[in-house]
Amino acid sequence: GAGVSQSPSNKVTEKGKDVELRCDPISGHTALYWYRQSLGQGLEFLIYFQGNSAPDKSGLPSDRFSAERTGGSVSTLTIQRTQQEDSAVYLCASSPGGTQYNEQFFGPGTRLTVL
Amino acid sequence: KQEVTQIPAALSVPEGENLVLNCSFTDSAIYNLQWFRQDPGKGLTSLLLIQSSQREQTSGRLNASLDKSSGRSTLYIAASQPGDSATYLCAVRPRGSGGSNYKLTFGKGTLLTVNP
Repeated sequence: GAGVSQSPSNKVTEKGKDVELRCDPISGHTALYWYRQSLGQGLEFLIYFQGNSAPDKSGLPSDRFSAERTGGSVSTLTIQRTQQEDSAVYLCASSPGGTQYNEQFFGPGTRLTVL
Repeated sequence: KQEVTQIPAALSVPEGENLVLNCSFTDSAIYNLQWFRQDPGKGLTSLLLIQSSQREQTSGRLNASLDKSSGRSTLYIAASQPGDSATYLCAVRPRGSGGSNYKLTFGKGTLLTVNP
C-alpha cells in the first residue's frame, strides 16, 4: 500500500536552468494532480490528468511549465528557464478518479529553490 | 470564484485542551470538503473527508462538521497532544460547471502549536 511518491524531495537550481519533478501516483489511481504551494500564497492548482483524456492545463502559470503523464501512471512536471518566483513546494496528488466524491491523496512534495 | 478562509491563522494551546479550527467558504456548491494536516517541510496528510450530503465525520480524537448552507466547517480536536502540532488546511471540491470540479480550493491553513 505505497502512497504517492515524489522525487527529488529537494531541488536547488540556478536561475535559467530547466528542472524536472517526478510523481508516482498510487497504483490504480487514474486521476493525477499537480499543485504548487508558495510562501504566503497557499496551495494553487496547476494541472490535472484523468486517464487518457486531454489534461487540464489551465492552472499552469506560464508556458515555461509543462507536464506529461506516461502510460497513465508516472507524471513529470518540467519547468524551463527557472525563475526565482518558481521557488515553491510542488505537490502531486492522485485519486481513484471517476466520481467527484473521491478523496485526493498527496505526496510529500518537492521543494524547489531557484537561486 | 470560490474563496476559502481559515481562522485563526495560528493557535497555541496547552496540552490536553479541546480546540476548534474554523473554515469558511463563499460558494456552497461543493461536492465535498477535506481537512488535511501538514507537518513542516512535508506533504499533506488527509484527515477527514466530508461529502456535501453529510453533516460530520469522526476519526479518533478528530471530528469535522459541515454546514454547507452557511459555508462553514469546523475541525474539533479533543484532548490535544504536542504531536498534534502542525498546520491544518481545509479544501473544498467545487460543484462547478465546465468540468473543473476536480480542482480543490484551499484555505491558507491554521498553524497549531500544542505546548507540553
